Amino acid sequence: EVQLVESGGGLVQPGRSLKLSCAASGFTFSNYGMAWVRQTPTKGLEWVASISTGGGNTYYRDSVKGRFTISRDNAKNTQYLQMDSLRSEDTATYYCARLYDGTYYRNWFAYWGQGTLVTVSS
Amino acid sequence: DIVLTQSPALAVSLGQRATISCKTNQNVDYYGNSYMHWYQQKPGQQPKLLIYLASNLASGIPARFSGRGSGTDFTLTIDPVEADDTATYYCQQSRNLPPWTFGGGTKLELK
Repeated sequence: EVQLVESGGGLVQPGRSLKLSCAASGFTFSNYGMAWVRQTPTKGLEWVASISTGGGNTYYRDSVKGRFTISRDNAKNTQYLQMDSLRSEDTATYYCARLYDGTYYRNWFAYWGQGTLVTVSS
Repeated sequence: DIVLTQSPALAVSLGQRATISCKTNQNVDYYGNSYMHWYQQKPGQQPKLLIYLASNLASGIPARFSGRGSGTDFTLTIDPVEADDTATYYCQQSRNLPPWTFGGGTKLELK
């Protein structure tokens, strides 16, 4: 059974940093692209970032480019999202998602974690 | 970015057919595939993949769910609707490299 478990969310002040983790199990982690998707009541679902199987290809939505970094450790079956210079508009539930296969383009979100809430507020 | 438009809500009776639409402002077809996907999200839960590539049923999803469409117009059909189907349904496109985008969601309610 595919399982994705996020951790690391919480309350953080604007301008500070937070690192999310996603522990994966139930599949061969290194064979699949991974992603982060966030959700707010006002903006709905937003793709945030994606990473290829080996980590060599990464993509970010424009609003987080230069502030967020997606990475993965295939030996630990874990992906990460380093979030720096956080803003109030980054407040959301962040979901870890496994892509359908190993391609990092023209893909979709086959499995989702339960989400972790990030609140950016002073 | 490709914009996906869904109606905010739909109310249907138990046992009837529900048809949820998703329209895009750009063609999401590429070499014979339509890169349109559908998710179900119940309150307090994460989204779940229902349909991929416009018409392919994801693993474990009942055959009451079906998808069709191409180009810029897509539909998700639930027939017959069961009480457990009350949820918000989202479409998502992945025609190109990211950014991949979602529709605003359609909340399915029972009459």
